[in-house]
Amino acid sequence: AQKVTQAQTEISVVEKEDVTLDCVYETRDTTYYLFWYKQPPSGELVFLIRRNSFDEQNEISGRYSWNFQKSTSSFNFTITASQVVDSAVYFCALSEAVGNKLVFGAGTILRVKS
Amino acid sequence: GAGVSQSPSNKVTEKGKDVELRCDPISGHTALYWYRQSLGQGLEFLIYFQGNSAPDKSGLPSDRFSAERTGGSVSTLTIQRTQQEDSAVYLCASSLVQGGRHEQYFGPGTRLTVT
Repeated sequence: AQKVTQAQTEISVVEKEDVTLDCVYETRDTTYYLFWYKQPPSGELVFLIRRNSFDEQNEISGRYSWNFQKSTSSFNFTITASQVVDSAVYFCALSEAVGNKLVFGAGTILRVKS
Repeated sequence: GAGVSQSPSNKVTEKGKDVELRCDPISGHTALYWYRQSLGQGLEFLIYFQGNSAPDKSGLPSDRFSAERTGGSVSTLTIQRTQQEDSAVYLCASSLVQGGRHEQYFGPGTRLTVT
């Protein structure tokens, strides 16, 4: 069965601090897809990144970076030099096939204080 | 281009009434998904449609829930005889599912309150 665990319920940081959001997943499939979504206070889920299980390259996009490690079944998300606008709930999700349903973690509330 | 739209944005209904929630996916997207988000249960998958294939209904919590997708585009989620535990935000998403692009794009949701 698929499962996504985001152990950090809530994180508070001061602006300009770096912060890492943890995501650990479980799946029996050898091919799968991992996602991160952001849900700001406005409520709409915003897609951030998709990672395929067969591509273990880490990715950087501006202040965001993602560390995918199959050996530990983890797909962690780091925000460098956090800003108040980064305050949101962040969800990690797993899909076992292209176009298949997403299984979400419980989410991590990130509060960035000025 | 236009994103996923959902209507109504808010719906308050009395216990026992039926409700219909509508989703307009991104034009050209072949897959459409329904999820719900509640405080106690987080984000839960309900149902998804992919092209002309039979929908995956494995997430529907009871037979009071049903959904259809007409013409491969607009979808309606129907909840019959609503119960208080149905109160949640119902989210619709769509996906292109081709060319390596299969991330899901979400609409703003419909907040359902059953009194």
